[in-house]
Amino acid sequence: NAGVTQTPKFRVLKTGQSMTLLCAQDMNHEYMYWYRQDPGMGLRLIHYSVGEGTTAKGEVPDGYNVSRLKKQNFLLGLESAAPSQTSVYFCASSYSRRGRMSTDTQYFGPGTRLTVL
Amino acid sequence: DAKTTQPNSMESNEEEPVHLPCNHSTISGTDYIHWYRQLPSQGPEYVIHGLTSNVNNRMASLAIAEDRKSSTLILHRATLRDAAVYYCILRGGYGGSQGNLIFGKGTKLSVKP
Repeated sequence: NAGVTQTPKFRVLKTGQSMTLLCAQDMNHEYMYWYRQDPGMGLRLIHYSVGEGTTAKGEVPDGYNVSRLKKQNFLLGLESAAPSQTSVYFCASSYSRRGRMSTDTQYFGPGTRLTVL
Repeated sequence: DAKTTQPNSMESNEEEPVHLPCNHSTISGTDYIHWYRQLPSQGPEYVIHGLTSNVNNRMASLAIAEDRKSSTLILHRATLRDAAVYYCILRGGYGGSQGNLIFGKGTKLSVKP
């Protein structure tokens, strides 16, 4: 099992450009998450999905869109990148049966380091 | 989710035990205590979790105070590979929660050879 994979690993964008980050998991997990991590900070939730075809906003959703067309994939889009979106982006997934989230384990990808000039 | 407090940093010598403390005085009766760690330039990884009783796994042990207001992650023999930021996270999540982990700043553990 590859676990959670993310592409690309690194990317440099100019202000106003768009891009899509891809997250894939092969563990048949229901829940998937996108977090961002800024220097010296913990991770913050951008968007999440509780199943195929469903998405919801997290703590810091502005400037991002997401889609979950297939259960194994969760895409994070930046329509018009801004320097404030320079960060490291982590995807995570978990099995998370509703009502049992207090004990579930989240599996994280290796991250995508994005720089917006 | 209730808040946790951890020291910003700790140092350890290789092959010695390490005790990483976490205070969570506002923990509720249904909150589980989870620990994750983040190695340099990697995503976080799960370490251990518990509710009331002490827990052991191949990576670490978790000691939970009787009043549950604090806990300690124990690495029995630190290795250089254990140098990471360790996050103590409380998780409730019964019904309706979005299920994300709420990360603080964690404790940065340095291991000296």
